[in-house]
Amino acid sequence: EIVLTQSPGTLSLSPGERATLSCRASQSVSSSHLAWYQQRPGQAPRLLIYGTSSRATGIPDRFSGSGSGTDFTLTISRLEPEDFAVYYCQQYVSSPQTFGQGTKVEIK
Amino acid sequence: QVQLVDSGGGLVKPGGSLRLSCAASGFSFGDYYMSWIRQAPGKGLEWVSYISSSSRYTNYADSVKGRFTISRDNAKNSLYLQMNSLRAEDTALYYCARGGDTLLVDYWGQGTLVTVSS
Repeated sequence: EIVLTQSPGTLSLSPGERATLSCRASQSVSSSHLAWYQQRPGQAPRLLIYGTSSRATGIPDRFSGSGSGTDFTLTISRLEPEDFAVYYCQQYVSSPQTFGQGTKVEIK
Repeated sequence: QVQLVDSGGGLVKPGGSLRLSCAASGFSFGDYYMSWIRQAPGKGLEWVSYISSSSRYTNYADSVKGRFTISRDNAKNSLYLQMNSLRAEDTALYYCARGGDTLLVDYWGQGTLVTVSS
């Protein structure tokens, strides 16, 4: 199974700052099969990005995804108060689908 | 709009059974793979099982294989997870989700909490 490792574990930033989250795969992942989810406290995960760089419906353009092979990145250009949450990457190129362990973006 | 409503969670003793349900609306349920994904308290996300649109294909995480059974009723727009021989480590919030296998998971239910404890 493909193992996804996210870094850092916690990111402490202020509103308005840029956030860069990393996801590294144990083997190459097709760029069309890498997704990012946001989970706010007490809520279900919400799809942000699919196919490495495509934003899901209703997701603001301050969220962007990039990467290829084994290294992928989620960038939030300017943090809004509602963006402080946990973010998970996920691969769905091979079964079983696997998730990273998450990166918590917290208010500094 | 797409809506997934999970239910059936609760407190159960080790070795017991529970059946989770997920009611789907707002899309053509019978056209989609469906999955169950769980999250232990304070932990990350773990895929549990998926079922193909026609129920022909199913798959399970090794941790639940032989104990859990996924099923669906397309006429009722419903997904199920029968959980037997429950263990303490099965304690988690269980989410129904649209998609699975090598298909994108794009919508999630609100989750139903399963607690396995004596």
